[in-house]
Amino acid sequence: GQQVMQIPQYQHVQEGEDFTTYCNSSTTLSNIQWYKQRPGGHPVFLIQLVKSGEVKKQKRLTFQFGEAKKNSSLHITATQTTDVGTYFCAGPRSNTGKLIFGQGTTLQVKP
Amino acid sequence: GAVVSQHPSWVICKSGTSVKIECRSLDFQATTMFWYRQFPKQSLMLMATSNEGSKATYEQGVEKDKFLINHASLTLSTLTVTSAHPEDSSFYICSAGPYSTDTQYFGPGTRLTVL
Repeated sequence: GQQVMQIPQYQHVQEGEDFTTYCNSSTTLSNIQWYKQRPGGHPVFLIQLVKSGEVKKQKRLTFQFGEAKKNSSLHITATQTTDVGTYFCAGPRSNTGKLIFGQGTTLQVKP
Repeated sequence: GAVVSQHPSWVICKSGTSVKIECRSLDFQATTMFWYRQFPKQSLMLMATSNEGSKATYEQGVEKDKFLINHASLTLSTLTVTSAHPEDSSFYICSAGPYSTDTQYFGPGTRLTVL
């Protein structure tokens, strides 16, 4: 069945270092969404990418959607302790409106 | 905009009892809401899709008689965990979206502990 894979599972960085998480889908996606879940919290919507090759920025966060619309990445420049949490990518399951989530990448930032 | 609330935020119950969790869309109408379950350090697992005015659709492996869903209005869906057992202890999260672009807004979640 349709799958969304995410790597790495965990990442520990020193504050100020960059961080990237990668998301790959087994099928072409109509869009890809990214969510952040803080420890003990719930997922919070960050962004949605729709177009092939699309790049969007939110301050220190850069999101990319691959040309084939099967992969995506989230890059954080100069991480801060407030970036700690688990980042999930999610893609719609074909023609259902349901979202399939990647396994998430948990980011730890050492001050 | 697009705020989803969930109640209660946490609940502790005895084995064998039933627990009802409410999910509300506060500033939009949602004909569809989704219920997820999340175990510690794991991803979100979709349990079921709640459809206003009709039966919920359940994902494979999810017992519909165990997890009763009622979507009585365009702003409220409820999940009832019936005859709860310790293995039902988990973080239950609902989501809904006001647009047709699949973006989901999540409730704050309900942490269920069954003793």
